[in-house]
Amino acid sequence: SQELEQSPQSLIVQEGKNLTINCTSSKTLYGLYWYKQKYGEGLIFLMMLQKGGEEKSHEKITAKLDEKKQQSSLHITASQPSHAGIYLCGADRFSSGSARQLTFGSGTQLTVLP
Amino acid sequence: SAVISQKPSRDICQRGTSLTIQCQVDSQVTMMFWYRQQPGQSLTLIATANQGSEATYESGFVIDKFPISRPNLTFSTLTVSNLSPEDSSIYLCSVLGQGVGTQYFGPGTRLLVL
Repeated sequence: SQELEQSPQSLIVQEGKNLTINCTSSKTLYGLYWYKQKYGEGLIFLMMLQKGGEEKSHEKITAKLDEKKQQSSLHITASQPSHAGIYLCGADRFSSGSARQLTFGSGTQLTVLP
Repeated sequence: SAVISQKPSRDICQRGTSLTIQCQVDSQVTMMFWYRQQPGQSLTLIATANQGSEATYESGFVIDKFPISRPNLTFSTLTVSNLSPEDSSIYLCSVLGQGVGTQYFGPGTRLLVL
């Protein structure tokens, strides 16, 4: 079965600093999803990557999928307290991508100090 | 994007009892998914619920413990039966979005079993 490893497990940064979260898969990624979860809330969909070398941005958050499609990174520029939360990467379990049954990484807890 | 609501948002139950969680979506969807997030861990898929057919359970999850109903295209319930403290988790329902690669999650139901 596919496994996703996220690093770091937790991250504390000063407001305004940049940071990167990594997600590494044991198998080729057919679809890689990034979500943000705040305590007591559901998951907020951030973006999805499918193609090797693909890069997407949403406001100050940029995610990339490497050419070999086995690693993704999430980069936050000039972090703000509103960026705090748990970041989860998820992967499509099937190559067709149609089922959308996701396997998730263990999450990265981000704290941004004002 | 799909708007998903769950009831209850949280509950405290005694061991041996059951809890039924409701998931309502604001649009018709073919597939709905139920996930579990145990304390400090990532999400694990419990089952896939299609309207008009039996739910498909993942390894380690059985229908007797987690019966699911899917009476129409906007609603599903997950029952967690014969509760034990190990069932204390957040339970989330999820649906596929209209756009390619989008999957949305409900706010979750936080269950504590005493």
